[in-house]
Amino acid sequence: AQSVSQHNHHVILSEAASLELGCNYSYGGTVNLFWYVQYPGQHLQLLLKYFSGDPLVKGIKGFEAEFIKSKFSFNLRKPSVQWSDTAEYFCAVTLDRGSTLGRLYFGRGTQLTVWP
Amino acid sequence: DAGITQSPRHKVTETGTPVTLRCHQTENHRYMYWYRQDPGHGLRLIHYSYGVKDTDKGEVSDGYSVSRSKTEDFLLTLESATSSQTSVYFCAISDSDSRGGEQYFGPGTRLTVT
Repeated sequence: AQSVSQHNHHVILSEAASLELGCNYSYGGTVNLFWYVQYPGQHLQLLLKYFSGDPLVKGIKGFEAEFIKSKFSFNLRKPSVQWSDTAEYFCAVTLDRGSTLGRLYFGRGTQLTVWP
Repeated sequence: DAGITQSPRHKVTETGTPVTLRCHQTENHRYMYWYRQDPGHGLRLIHYSYGVKDTDKGEVSDGYSVSRSKTEDFLLTLESATSSQTSVYFCAISDSDSRGGEQYFGPGTRLTVT
């Protein structure tokens, strides 16, 4: 079975600190990778996505992620977090096997708390 | 935001009663999904639809059924609610059939089964 692992369940940072959230997946074929964010009481929103090309992907609100194929990883980074980044972050994967269903496999999520 | 609404937004029901959750979209997207979100589990796929009257099971489909009689509506039914189905339910839509297109999520329904 496919799986997505997020190493950190809860990360607590002060404002202006740098952020890196880990994500690994367990599928040897071609994948499409996503990071979603869920602000308190809200629905999931897409932060960024990787399909092909440059493995360093830039998303909204200053976030970026790097796809390292050899490590099966897609870590999320931000150089300087803000209080408004407090949210839950989900890594997700779809498998590029020609399926037309686009099924997303989610990690368990990482709660980020940023103290002002 | 994508035009996705879910109803009801909150519901409390008793064990053994049937419950139907509705997802409505105005984007005319082909693909629709139902997920449940539980602490420590992320989101897990319950059922999905790839067209009107075309549905299939996800990874946690036991105790749930779905129907899609129109492009815009995707219904999730709990035939006989149990306490283990207390969760937040999210609907998602997608218009892409290639390379796992981006999914857009609705606001969620918080269901409590007492």
